[in-house]
Amino acid sequence: DVKVTQSSRYLVKRTGEKVFLECVQDMDHENMFWYRQDPGLGLRLIYFSYDVKMKEKGDIPEGYSVSREKKERFSLILESASTNQTSMYLCASSPGQGTADTQYFGPGTRLTVL
Amino acid sequence: TQLLEQSPQFLSIQEGENLTVYCNSSSVFSSLQWYRQEPGEGPVLLVTVVTGGEVKKLKRLTFQFGDARKDSSLHITAAQPGDTGLYLCAGWDTGRRALTFGSGTRLQVQP
Repeated sequence: DVKVTQSSRYLVKRTGEKVFLECVQDMDHENMFWYRQDPGLGLRLIYFSYDVKMKEKGDIPEGYSVSREKKERFSLILESASTNQTSMYLCASSPGQGTADTQYFGPGTRLTVL
Repeated sequence: TQLLEQSPQFLSIQEGENLTVYCNSSSVFSSLQWYRQEPGEGPVLLVTVVTGGEVKKLKRLTFQFGDARKDSSLHITAAQPGDTGLYLCAGWDTGRRALTFGSGTRLQVQP
């Protein structure tokens, strides 16, 4: 079974702190994604990566950056956390670039910024 | 970015009832997926449809992709409490090579 793990289920940070959210997948997938999920807004794509050291902006990249130094690990960085970044963050991976690829999601990290 | 609208946003029904959830867009998608998310978990894929007019069945769930590949529906027959969850449609955006998700339909099935 594909497993996508996220470093924390719950995280509380203060405004202005630098926040790292880690995601690891164990199935040698090429593609990895970071989404945020807010009530009534579905999943919004923050950043994604189709290869190591490669990244592409999604719909809402402002205030975020990412790092993919190894194929299995994709990190989301909040350079200076703000209260409007309080949200559920979901990481996903998929095997290839086909249109019918399945995305496998981690359990999510609920981040609260005070 | 292509947009996907889901309706209804919330649905609370009794066990045994039927229901339909809709996913609509003004854009064409090369494929469309439905995911279900349970509390405390990430979304899990239910089905992928790729051909206009395609119908797929998964036990009591029937998924249809519109002829023009702009819309989709999910029909549940004789809903059960185990069907409770957040249902998300997602279309493949060929331009940016990523999924666009709808806003979701939260379904509650009362025993």
